[in-house]
Amino acid sequence: QSVLTQPPSVSGAPGQRVIISCTGSRSNIGADHDVHWYQHLPGTAPKLLIYGNRNRPSGVPDRFSGSKSGTSASLAITGLQAEDEADYYCQSYDSGLNGWVFGGGTKLTVL
Amino acid sequence: QVQLVESGGGEVQPGRSLRLSCVVSGFTFSDYAMHWVRQAPGKGLEWVAFISYDGRRTQYADSVKGRFTISRDTFRNTLYLQMNSLRTEDTAVYYCAKEGALYCSGGKCYPFEYWGQGTLVTVSS
Repeated sequence: QSVLTQPPSVSGAPGQRVIISCTGSRSNIGADHDVHWYQHLPGTAPKLLIYGNRNRPSGVPDRFSGSKSGTSASLAITGLQAEDEADYYCQSYDSGLNGWVFGGGTKLTVL
Repeated sequence: QVQLVESGGGEVQPGRSLRLSCVVSGFTFSDYAMHWVRQAPGKGLEWVAFISYDGRRTQYADSVKGRFTISRDTFRNTLYLQMNSLRTEDTAVYYCAKEGALYCSGGKCYPFEYWGQGTLVTVSS
């Protein structure tokens, strides 16, 4: 059971928009700890996608955007492309556990 | 460019030890905190251990506390994870990750900025 809760899977057709939610609690996201998002293709190095809730590293397309409110965060992907098919993870820090925590991951399928 | 290359994985029996290494390049190693993160087969990412930029502070996930030790060698640009008393549930791909110090609204934030490709550890009798 992950500390941060994500839907196991989402899907969308090319060109559509999908949103991946990340629900935490008052000891992590709700404690004003930043949320970061990663894209992971099996067998490869995970890649930082969004940092500090809503910032994109250089090279990440603006089709990817992040937001945070209360004890939850979201990753939105617009204009879905086949290459977006991957696992996506949210991550934050938990003051109660004194450690870094991940969501369980969401598998994005592009139909 | 930033590179992190893990090594040292393999198959080991329960109760035995293994040491993972992560050689880094492309940035000033002594300026940044580092982490180990693992992914068990069919599971998600799990944070394992943290070490501060100067090696003075470490933190561990409860699942490995007392069994794993993270360390770093600035002269060798290498991060280590000493894993003792291994259990079958430690079977996973282990990734090293560089902690970034990036400007965000309200100050700095510290994501896992760069990751290695991972090394597989299998604990089995």
